[in-house]
Amino acid sequence: AQKITQTQPGMFVQEKEAVTLDCTYDTSDPSYGLFWYKQPSSGEMIFLIYQGSYDQQNATEGRYSLNFQKARKSANLVISASQLGDSAMYFCAMREALAQKLVFGQGTRLTINP
Amino acid sequence: DGGITQSPKYLFRKEGQNVTLSCEQNLNHDAMYWYRQDPGQGLRLIYYSQIVNDFQKGDIAEGYSVSREKKESFPLTVTSAQKNPTAFYLCASSTLQGAVRNEQFFGPGTRLTVL
Repeated sequence: AQKITQTQPGMFVQEKEAVTLDCTYDTSDPSYGLFWYKQPSSGEMIFLIYQGSYDQQNATEGRYSLNFQKARKSANLVISASQLGDSAMYFCAMREALAQKLVFGQGTRLTINP
Repeated sequence: DGGITQSPKYLFRKEGQNVTLSCEQNLNHDAMYWYRQDPGQGLRLIYYSQIVNDFQKGDIAEGYSVSREKKESFPLTVTSAQKNPTAFYLCASSTLQGAVRNEQFFGPGTRLTVL
């Protein structure tokens, strides 16, 4: 069964610092995808970045990068040069190849301090 | 602009009442989903649909019902059988092509409170 674990309930970071949000996953399917979403206080889920299990390189999207360590089954999100607007909940999610549904972790609340 | 709309934004229900949450998308997506989010928690799948007139139960379908009569619409009914319906409800959609890679696009959500 799919499972996603985010062990950091809350993170506090100074503005302009880099931050790493942890995500580990468990699956027996060799083909899967990993997603990170941001949820501001408004509630809407915003897609940030995707990593496929067969991708050779770590995904990057602007200030977001994904530190994908397949053997460790981890997919940590790295935000460089954090901004006040980065304060939000962040969710890691996974989809197995044969499943349509996304399975979400519990989330990490990131607070950026000025 | 393409996107997903949910209405209402806030909904108050008395115990014993059924209520229906609306979800409409104009992204031409085949698949649509309903999630429930409780405070400080992740999203849990209630129902999903990959094609008109067909839908499947998710992890927490008890006390909920859905319909998919049109590709663009996927309303969720919270019935009186749902013991603790107070939560934030999110609707999402995606294409079916490319399977694993398909990101889900989310609506703004409906916050349901039982009085």
